[in-house]
Amino acid sequence: QKEVEQDPGPLSVPEGAIVSLNCTYSNSAFQYFMWYRQYSRKGPELLMYTYSSGNKEDGRFTAQVDKSSKYISLFIRDSQPSDSATYLCAMSAGGTSYGKLTFGQGTILTVHP
Amino acid sequence: DGGITQSPKYLFRKEGQNVTLSCEQNLNHDAMYWYRQDPGQGLRLIYYSQIVNDFQKGDIAEGYSVSREKKESFPLTVTSAQKNPTAFYLCASRRGEGNSPLHFGNGTRLTVT
Repeated sequence: QKEVEQDPGPLSVPEGAIVSLNCTYSNSAFQYFMWYRQYSRKGPELLMYTYSSGNKEDGRFTAQVDKSSKYISLFIRDSQPSDSATYLCAMSAGGTSYGKLTFGQGTILTVHP
Repeated sequence: DGGITQSPKYLFRKEGQNVTLSCEQNLNHDAMYWYRQDPGQGLRLIYYSQIVNDFQKGDIAEGYSVSREKKESFPLTVTSAQKNPTAFYLCASRRGEGNSPLHFGNGTRLTVT
């Protein structure tokens, strides 16, 4: 079993839809949770970064972490065609291990006009 | 503009040849990382370096080597011992202290035939 599981999709939604992306994990030591967006043939760019359980909102994006269920989510409101990309969840135990991220497989999202 | 530069964007080599991928950052970050990305497998950590002249193996270091002679540079050599070298290679960096997030370059696509 992989430490981090992410549904690879692909996910196709109409413009304006609410998108929900999810990851589950097995390592209870993970404390830092990130979502990256990756356009084709580009490097991942950081979208959201959260510590421990709770919600964080940034514009149209909301990240949720439920450590008791070992489950994280990213919601995208009013999705746009420019949101079409691969979304990667990543997590870390922190401390000296902080940069050693464990990634999900990535979910391919397409938002069609 | 500050950032991470990976070169070249595309690289082609014959089987049995060593090849070195370049990664340079002008963010004044202490820590640098190399990840490998394969379809459907997310990103996996190859090597990382917290400070100059020091580096550690990641999860899939076999067949790779690195050096960290300068703070801004962290080249990766893919040796002929690496059984499946064709992949998308991503370099990343972060401030060495605290829980600052990883910033990625735009990757090098290596194809070995």
